[in-house]
Amino acid sequence: DVKVTQSSRYLVKRTGEKVFLECVQDMDHENMFWYRQDPGLGLRLIYFSYDVKMKEKGDIPEGYSVSREKKERFSLILESASTNQTSMYLCASSRYRGPQETQYFGPGTRLLVL
Amino acid sequence: GESVGLHLPTLSVQEGDNSIINCAYSNSASDYFIWYKQESGKGPQFIIDIRSNMDKRQGQRVTVLLNKTVKHLSLQIAATQPGDSAVYFCAENSGGYNKLIFGAGTRLAVHP
Repeated sequence: DVKVTQSSRYLVKRTGEKVFLECVQDMDHENMFWYRQDPGLGLRLIYFSYDVKMKEKGDIPEGYSVSREKKERFSLILESASTNQTSMYLCASSRYRGPQETQYFGPGTRLLVL
Repeated sequence: GESVGLHLPTLSVQEGDNSIINCAYSNSASDYFIWYKQESGKGPQFIIDIRSNMDKRQGQRVTVLLNKTVKHLSLQIAATQPGDSAVYFCAENSGGYNKLIFGAGTRLAVHP
């Protein structure tokens, strides 16, 4: 089974703090993704990566950055957290770069920014 | 813009009945579709997928139907159980690099 893990289930941070969300997958997947999920909306893609040290902007990259130094690990960084970044953050991975690949999700990190 | 939407935000069914969750997509070039199930407090879980060269695919108690003519996708759950209560998302792939577009989700509530 594919296993995607996220470092925290719940986080509470203050406005202006730098926040790191970590994601690890154990299936040697090439692609990794960060989404945010908000009530009434679908999942929105923040950033994705198809290789080590490679990254691509998703639909809502503003206020976020990412890092992928190792194939199995993909980090999402909030340089200066703001209250509008309170959300559920979901990490996902998929095996290959091709279009018809299933994405597998982690359990999510629920972030509250005060 | 391109979007994946759902007709019903909430679906209530009786235990043992069949459930049908619908989804409309707007990009006729999409060639891959996935249904996910998300239980409260958990990440989305893959249920079933279908490629555009198919119109039906069956899994265990689930069936996905794809109607490319009207750009419609549906998930059928047979003999719905309380454990099926969750939010269900459809997603389409309309570009490279495995980029998916997700619908807002439908909540399925199963009553005894």
